[in-house]
Amino acid sequence: RKEVEQDPGPFNVPEGATVAFNCTYSNSASQSFFWYRQDCRKEPKLLMSVYSSGNEDGRFTAQLNRASQYISLLIRDSKLSDSATYLCVVNTGRRALTFGSGTRLQVQP
Amino acid sequence: GAGVSQSPSNKVTEKGKDVELRCDPISGHTALYWYRQSLGQGLEFLIYFQGNSAPDKSGLPSDRFSAERTGGSVSTLTIQRTQQEDSAVYLCASSTFSYEQYFGPGTRLTVT
Repeated sequence: RKEVEQDPGPFNVPEGATVAFNCTYSNSASQSFFWYRQDCRKEPKLLMSVYSSGNEDGRFTAQLNRASQYISLLIRDSKLSDSATYLCVVNTGRRALTFGSGTRLQVQP
Repeated sequence: GAGVSQSPSNKVTEKGKDVELRCDPISGHTALYWYRQSLGQGLEFLIYFQGNSAPDKSGLPSDRFSAERTGGSVSTLTIQRTQQEDSAVYLCASSTFSYEQYFGPGTRLTVT
């Protein structure tokens, strides 16, 4: 089983739609969680950290469910510029961070 | 402030040659990481430096790969006797203790 698993997608959604991604992790001792965004042929960029209480940044909401060992990212009112690959990232404690393979989002006009 | 910088941005080399890739982390960041990403693939962890601790080299794919971090700042990733399968984008990231990593633009390595 992979340490961090994501549905690769692609998720094709129209502008204005709400879309949600889930990510599961295998190590119950994991303590830090993040979502990164990666545009085609660019480096990953930190989108948001994920806190136990959940957190929101504008149209983006991240949630953590420790009992079920998953984190989620909700994007409301999708924009064309949201098209990218979204990487789920977990601190497993064994090494720095473990990146999921990413979920590709394509927002269509 | 300045972000993570990497050089060169592109490197084309012949099979069998050695290459050095450089990373300048964000000033004050104690942790530095190297990853590589092949076309259409996820990030593959290579090596992790944290302060003065011994680096975590568990991701290095072979003994042809090595990395140094001098003075707790600049890092160099060296690949000896390059092979075609080494072709990838090599990404460097740095962070504080919060683990929020900030990536450089990467070095695109092509081995011909």
